[in-house]
Amino acid sequence: AQSVTQPDIHITVSEGASLELRCNYSYGATPYLFWYVQSPGQGLQLLLKYFSGDTLVQGIKGFEAEFKRSQSSFNLRKPSVHWSDAAEYFCAVGHMEYGNKLVFGAGTILRVKS
Amino acid sequence: ETGVTQSPTHLIKTRGQQVTLRCSSQSGHNTVSWYQQALGQGPQFIFQYYREEENGRGNFPPRFSGLQFPNYSSELNVNALELDDSALYLCASSFRTGANVLTFGAGSRLTVL
Repeated sequence: AQSVTQPDIHITVSEGASLELRCNYSYGATPYLFWYVQSPGQGLQLLLKYFSGDTLVQGIKGFEAEFKRSQSSFNLRKPSVHWSDAAEYFCAVGHMEYGNKLVFGAGTILRVKS
Repeated sequence: ETGVTQSPTHLIKTRGQQVTLRCSSQSGHNTVSWYQQALGQGPQFIFQYYREEENGRGNFPPRFSGLQFPNYSSELNVNALELDDSALYLCASSFRTGANVLTFGAGSRLTVL
């Protein structure tokens, strides 16, 4: 069965510090990989996606993620966090074989301290 | 282009009642998916509709049902509400073909008392 693990429930970083959010997945084949962000009371906004090709993908708001097949990981990074980045971040996996169904991790809540 | 819109944004029901949630898909999208997000959890796939037919279902009981209309909008119906149905219900639209990039609405927050 497909599953996504986000090991960190909460992460607190100082404004201007770097950020890395971890995501590991279990999937039968190389899946499509996504990071979404959710602000309080809001829906999900796509930050970035990986389908194939270059394993380092760039997204919106200065985020990037790296796909590592050998580690079944797709960690999200940002070199300098802004207070407005405080939100909950979800990693998700999917594949054409399973239609447009996404399997989400439980999320990581990011707090930014000034 | 318009995004995904959902209504109502918040509602309160009592156990045993029925609820209908509505979703208008993004312009040009022909597939609608519904997800349930319980407090403190990630979204869980309920089902997907394409060409007005259910096209994939997650681990949810039959009292969760849906419809898709010719204009690609959709409804989620939940009968015999239970306390555990309290959650944020997210609608997402996409193109049927191609990689699955979903555009999500802001959700409908359901509280069951």
